[in-house]
Amino acid sequence: DAGVIQSPRHEVTEMGQEVTLRCKPISGHDYLFWYRQTMMRGLELLIYFNNNVPIDDSGMPEDRFSAKMPNASFSTLKIQPSEPRDSAVYFCASRAGGTGELFFGEGSRLTVL
Amino acid sequence: LAKTTQPISMDSYEGQEVNITCSHNNIATNDYITWYQQFPSQGPRFIIQGYKTKVTNEVASLFIPADRKSSTLSLPRVSLSDTAVYYCLVGRYNQGGKLIFGQGTELSVKP
Repeated sequence: DAGVIQSPRHEVTEMGQEVTLRCKPISGHDYLFWYRQTMMRGLELLIYFNNNVPIDDSGMPEDRFSAKMPNASFSTLKIQPSEPRDSAVYFCASRAGGTGELFFGEGSRLTVL
Repeated sequence: LAKTTQPISMDSYEGQEVNITCSHNNIATNDYITWYQQFPSQGPRFIIQGYKTKVTNEVASLFIPADRKSSTLSLPRVSLSDTAVYYCLVGRYNQGGKLIFGQGTELSVKP
């Protein structure tokens, strides 16, 4: 298996632009998580899905952030409009139900100017 | 959710055994304890998971006392490549649920 695949790996954009981050979880995993990591706040859980259904989005900072999982093999995290404080590394992770082993992607490093 | 507390940083030398302790006083009956390792510019990587007593795999051991209010990750004979951030997580994996990362412990291994 190729592991969790995220794209893009790096994105530089200007304030006010829309940003879409993409994630392909490991086949057969029924949980998908989006995390954000910064030096100041560490690893923050934004939202997680179970069987494509959002279960808890209490970590989503504000309405500018939205996440979808239209099918078991694809998820997106969208920021619209983006702001400089959104600059961070965004990680997607997946796991199979009944285990605690999260598999992380390589992350998407977002810089908002 | 059970809150976890770890030392912010630790130093060690190559070849030494390193023990990192995590406190989780509010752990629930169905919670498991899991440790992750993160290198710079990479996502965290699973190391080991346990429920009680002792668990050992090819890279680490996890010691959990009877009251389960703490756990200790033991890394035998560390090398420079073990320099990383180590996170302790507590969660009810069997019933889904959040997996929250704490501040982690930054381990620095010196030659």
